Amino acid sequence: GAVVSQHPSRVICKSGTSVKIECRSLDFQATTMFWYRQFPKQSLMLMATSNEGSKATYEQGVEKDKFLINHASLTLSTLTVTSAHPEDSSFYICSAPSGENTGELFFGEGSRLTVL
Amino acid sequence: EDQVTQSPEALRLQEGESSSLNCSYTVSGLRGLFWYRQDPGKGPEFLFTLYSAGEEKEKERLKATLTKKESFLHITAPKPEDSATYLCAVQAYSYSGAGSYQLTFGKGTKLSVIP
Repeated sequence: GAVVSQHPSRVICKSGTSVKIECRSLDFQATTMFWYRQFPKQSLMLMATSNEGSKATYEQGVEKDKFLINHASLTLSTLTVTSAHPEDSSFYICSAPSGENTGELFFGEGSRLTVL
Repeated sequence: EDQVTQSPEALRLQEGESSSLNCSYTVSGLRGLFWYRQDPGKGPEFLFTLYSAGEEKEKERLKATLTKKESFLHITAPKPEDSATYLCAVQAYSYSGAGSYQLTFGKGTKLSVIP
């Protein structure tokens, strides 16, 4: 079946640096991808919708300049956490629609960001 | 605003002890209700989609059911490998285009199956 791959799975960075997370659809094209954030024992919260060839759509309360999203091709979306701070430490997960009009999403393996 | 509430928050079962997880939801117009399994440090893994009240789906030891207000995930004779967090999510018709794929998640039920 379709697979969504994320990289890196874990990243540790210093406060003030930027971190890029990649999300790839491996055997299908995804004009849309979704980025979620998950805190311990909390729901997955949608951060933004990544649209191939156009600007991302951000959810209310998500800083566009902090979380830069680029969807440069039909198989790759990237999330860059700029000037990261300890409060940005979280589990970031991307997903893409299966394309079968079932509403089903395929999720990546997730990326654990720790900002020191 | 769409809402999803899962209970219990955590559940410990002995191997072979059947039980059910609950997902209560409010949504403007239900397009689909999804169950996912999430292992620690991993992304969610798709289990089931239910579209209308009365629908049931089964996969191995899991069976999902749906009413107009809630969904149940029944686990029959669970094994230790069934230990995971089970997430419920709803998708509403109120969105269009790419938004139609937006999911509202519950906080999950952490299931532990003890040998």
